[in-house]
Amino acid sequence: EVQLLESGGGLVQPGGSLRLSCAASGLTFNSYVMTWVRQAPGKGLEWVSSISTTGGTAYYADSVRGRFAISRDSSKNTLYLQMNSLRAEDTAVYYCAKGLNVDGSAFSYAMDVWGQGTTVTVSS
Amino acid sequence: DIQLTQSPSFLSASVGDRVTITCRASQGISSYLAWYQQKPGKAPKLLIYAASTLQSRVPSRFSGGGSGTEFTLTISSLQPEDFATYYCQQVNSYPFITFGQGTRLEIK
Repeated sequence: EVQLLESGGGLVQPGGSLRLSCAASGLTFNSYVMTWVRQAPGKGLEWVSSISTTGGTAYYADSVRGRFAISRDSSKNTLYLQMNSLRAEDTAVYYCAKGLNVDGSAFSYAMDVWGQGTTVTVSS
Repeated sequence: DIQLTQSPSFLSASVGDRVTITCRASQGISSYLAWYQQKPGKAPKLLIYAASTLQSRVPSRFSGGGSGTEFTLTISSLQPEDFATYYCQQVNSYPFITFGQGTRLEIK
């Protein structure tokens, strides 16, 4: 069974940093695009960032570009999200998710397995 | 950016009803659309991709249709476990994907 387990969330002051982790099991980790999606309290889903299978290419939403960095470690089957210069509007549940397809095409960015989410709260 | 607009935003229905949710794209996206179901406090679940392909182990009462700019998610006979929020997602402009704002389906 494919499983994703996020960790690293918590309470942080504005301007602070956090690193989220997503440990993957039950899959060939480096075959799939991996993505972070967030959901602010009472709001909808927002794409944050995706990373290619090799880790060589990363993509970001405008709202986080320049502040967040996605990475992956295939030796540890783990996805990361380094979040710097955090703002109140970054408060959300952050989900990691696995791409549906292995070929890097469009549906590699649809997500068929999701973690349980980790909560990030940015507040003074 | 491709915007997705779902309608209605809120839907009240009864067990056994047939319901349809619409997702409209701001520009043509061929069939590059997926649908997700999310229950409170849980992660989203992929229901349909490529506009009409049912994901593995998703009940056949769920179906998707459409192409271009207008898409539908239909539940043929609502079951108690179907009351949830539904999101569409476009992957046409991958990797820069977007979601609709969601449709909350509640019990009448």
